[in-house]
Amino acid sequence: EDKVVQSPLSLVVHEGDTVTLNCSYEVTNFRSLLWYKQEKKAPTFLFMLTSSGIEKKSGRLSSILDKKELFSILNITATQTGDSAVYLCAVEEASGTYKYIFGTGTRLKVLA
Amino acid sequence: DGGITQSPKYLFRKEGQNVTLSCEQNLNHDAMYWYRQDPGQGLRLIYYSQIVNDFQKGDIAEGYSVSREKKESFPLTVTSAQKNPTAFYLCASTSGAGQETQYFGPGTRLLVL
Repeated sequence: EDKVVQSPLSLVVHEGDTVTLNCSYEVTNFRSLLWYKQEKKAPTFLFMLTSSGIEKKSGRLSSILDKKELFSILNITATQTGDSAVYLCAVEEASGTYKYIFGTGTRLKVLA
Repeated sequence: DGGITQSPKYLFRKEGQNVTLSCEQNLNHDAMYWYRQDPGQGLRLIYYSQIVNDFQKGDIAEGYSVSREKKESFPLTVTSAQKNPTAFYLCASTSGAGQETQYFGPGTRLLVL
């Protein structure tokens, strides 16, 4: 059975800290891995990764994929209270049709 | 502006009642998806459709039904057979080409009276 596992489930840090969120997957027909940020409403897109070892970066956020070891990490440096959210990892799977398998998310709380 | 709209924002269901959640997109996307999110959980796939007049069950389709009569619309009916429907429901779409992000609607929160 295809699955996506995120860790930790929740995390509390102080402003300025750096955090690393993990996403491992077992998906038969991998197409891409996506990271989203969710703040009590619809998820907003952060990154899409398709190739191993190529870092995607946007400001203080960065992400990388390891297709051999089947995992991805999302790094947030110099965290701010506005980074408090649930971070979702999803894997796009293609077995004739395309669908997305989501992990349970990591709930991040950044304290001032 | 292109996007996905969902209505209503909040919906209350009485026991034994069927309710329908609306999802409309003007992105000219072929593929549409319905997800359920419970508190503290990720998104679980209910149904998805890659093309008009065709749809597939996701992981938790029991107690739900869908139709895809028009490209822009993918309504979800929560039937009385769904015994625990209280959740946040999200609709999403993609062009269907693969290796792309999903566009999400704002969601509908369903509560049982």
